[in-house]
Amino acid sequence: GENVEQHPSTLSVQEGDSAVIKCTYSDSASNYFPWYKQELGKRPQLIIDIRSNVGEKKDQRIAVTLNKTAKHFSLHITETQPEDSAVYFCAAILSGAGSYQLTFGKGTKLSVIP
Amino acid sequence: DTEVTQTPKHLVMGMTNKKSLKCEQHMGHRAMYWYKQKAKKPPELMFVYSYEKLSINESVPSRFSPECPNSSLLNLHLHALQPEDSALYLCASSQLGFLAKNIQYFGAGTRLSVL
Repeated sequence: GENVEQHPSTLSVQEGDSAVIKCTYSDSASNYFPWYKQELGKRPQLIIDIRSNVGEKKDQRIAVTLNKTAKHFSLHITETQPEDSAVYFCAAILSGAGSYQLTFGKGTKLSVIP
Repeated sequence: DTEVTQTPKHLVMGMTNKKSLKCEQHMGHRAMYWYKQKAKKPPELMFVYSYEKLSINESVPSRFSPECPNSSLLNLHLHALQPEDSALYLCASSQLGFLAKNIQYFGAGTRLSVL
């Protein structure tokens, strides 16, 4: 089955700095990679995703990059703000008929220091 | 509308109680999921229903019993739980099909405490 490793487990940055979270996956057939943000006591919320036919995707201050050859993908947050403080989970899945199981990384607790 | 609604938000139950968690979505999604999440851990898949049929049971103890009465509703029946079952229980839903994006939308969860 799929295995997703996520690093670092905790990350502290000063407000305005950038934050990078990295994930690697084991199953080369995986083709969809979402990132979820979970604030304390709240639901995981999809913040950005990328498919295996794309190398990079950007949405305002958030970007995700994917290297299929190396089987790793990364989340980049620029100009961090205190409201970015949360736990971030990467995940991988073989998207398509009959596939349901998201494999999550263990999470990164991001703290943005004002 | 990307709303998945879960009730109740909080639940405290004794080990001999029977209770149910409810989940509802009106996005036309034909896959629905139950996850268990412990503090500081990722969501852990318990059950998956596709087209109202149970398709995945991740070796969950029988004191957890899922039910999918129709394409919009998902229940989780609880009986004789243990204190270690205390956790946040999340419901999610997604589209299905070869070209589906399989994006999973999560509900706000039910925080369960077993005394």
